[in-house]
Amino acid sequence: EVQLQQSGPEVGRPGSSVKISCKASGYTFTDYVMNWVKQSPGQGLEWIGWIDPEYGSTDYAEKFKKKATLTADTSSSTAYIQLSSLTSEDTATYFCAKGLGGSRRYFDYWGQGVMVTVSS
Amino acid sequence: DIQMTQSPASLSASLGETISIECRASEDIYSNLAWYQQKSGKSPQLLIYAANRLQDGVPSRFSGSGSGTQYSLKISGMQPEDEGDYFCLQGSKFPFTFGSGTKLEIK
Repeated sequence: EVQLQQSGPEVGRPGSSVKISCKASGYTFTDYVMNWVKQSPGQGLEWIGWIDPEYGSTDYAEKFKKKATLTADTSSSTAYIQLSSLTSEDTATYFCAKGLGGSRRYFDYWGQGVMVTVSS
Repeated sequence: DIQMTQSPASLSASLGETISIECRASEDIYSNLAWYQQKSGKSPQLLIYAANRLQDGVPSRFSGSGSGTQYSLKISGMQPEDEGDYFCLQGSKFPFTFGSGTKLEIK
């Protein structure tokens, strides 16, 4: 059974950074890209980017290029997103989502989401 | 970026009713479209991909159609478990973009 287990809620001060993890199980981690998606009440759903764990290659939405850094540890089948220079605009729920086999442009399994709150 | 305009924003349906949700893309997305259902407090579930392909395990009352810039999701016979938020996703061009969502409730 495919599972994506994300880390717990985060509270970060303005200007700081947070790092969220997404541990994959039930499939070969390096065979599928991992996407990251932001969900906030004001902006809806936004695609942040993806990482190909096999090669470590990444693609980002322009809006998130200076905000997010995607990495992956193949030894532990875990993907990470680091959010830097936090502002109130970063308060949201962040999901990891596995690319669909045969077509990386869709996401078939999602993590449970991590709530990030930016507060002083 | 490709803009996805989704309608309606909310919908109320009776049990057994057939409903449709629409997504219009700002340019041709060549059927690179998916539909998701999200229940309150849960993560999204893939229903349809490539505009009309039913994801494994999804009930056959869900169907997708469309081409070019116009796409729709149909639920043939509303069930209680179908309440939730629905949204589309275009996977044609970076950055992938989502529709604004449709809240579906039982009347």
